[in-house]
Amino acid sequence: EAGVAQSPRYKIIEKRQSVAFWCNPISGHATLYWYQQILGQGPKLLIQFQNNGVVDDSQLPKDRFSAERLKGVDSTLKIQPAKLEDSAVYLCASSRDLGSGASTDTQYFGPGTRLTVL
Amino acid sequence: AQKVTQAQTEISVVEKEDVTLDCVYETRDTTYYLFWYKQPPSGELVFLIRRNSFDEQNEISGRYSWNFQKSTSSFNFTITASQVVDSAVYFCALLRNYQLIWGAGTKLIIKP
Repeated sequence: EAGVAQSPRYKIIEKRQSVAFWCNPISGHATLYWYQQILGQGPKLLIQFQNNGVVDDSQLPKDRFSAERLKGVDSTLKIQPAKLEDSAVYLCASSRDLGSGASTDTQYFGPGTRLTVL
Repeated sequence: AQKVTQAQTEISVVEKEDVTLDCVYETRDTTYYLFWYKQPPSGELVFLIRRNSFDEQNEISGRYSWNFQKSTSSFNFTITASQVVDSAVYFCALLRNYQLIWGAGTKLIIKP
């Protein structure tokens, strides 16, 4: 079974530029998560989708970050405009969670995208 | 409050030594789930184990073992006969209301 796919693996941009990350979850997984991981810290949840609906985006800086999962499969996370403090690894995860309500299934992570903002 | 504490910031041992990574959690929930993930230098978070709060059986998987004790709110992870490939950051996490609450991670260095 293929794991969670992410691209690109690395990205370097100037501040105020825009950037987009792509994620394809494990086949059949209904729930998709985007995390931000700053060096030396644990991951921080940015947004959670179940199918193509948003479950939680309370920690997403909506003035500059946006995410979509239009067909309930792959997803895109965008930052526009980027700031220096956005330098981090952006991790995508997915879990099976076919039912509604709180997700309790194990989250499986992709390789991440390492973003450097200069 | 929900919280996960990994008090060991960094551990360094020589290959073949046994090493235990500590995890202490706080929750008021009666049903909860605990996880360990490994993050090697490549950056990917690799799932290691999931434990339900109502299952206190310890688990062994090859050189890895986990000791879950509800009485002390601990879920410790032991690597027996460590190898250089075990070098990574290890995270303990608590799942509550679909959110993973992460510990700060323990960086494990295995010296050859």
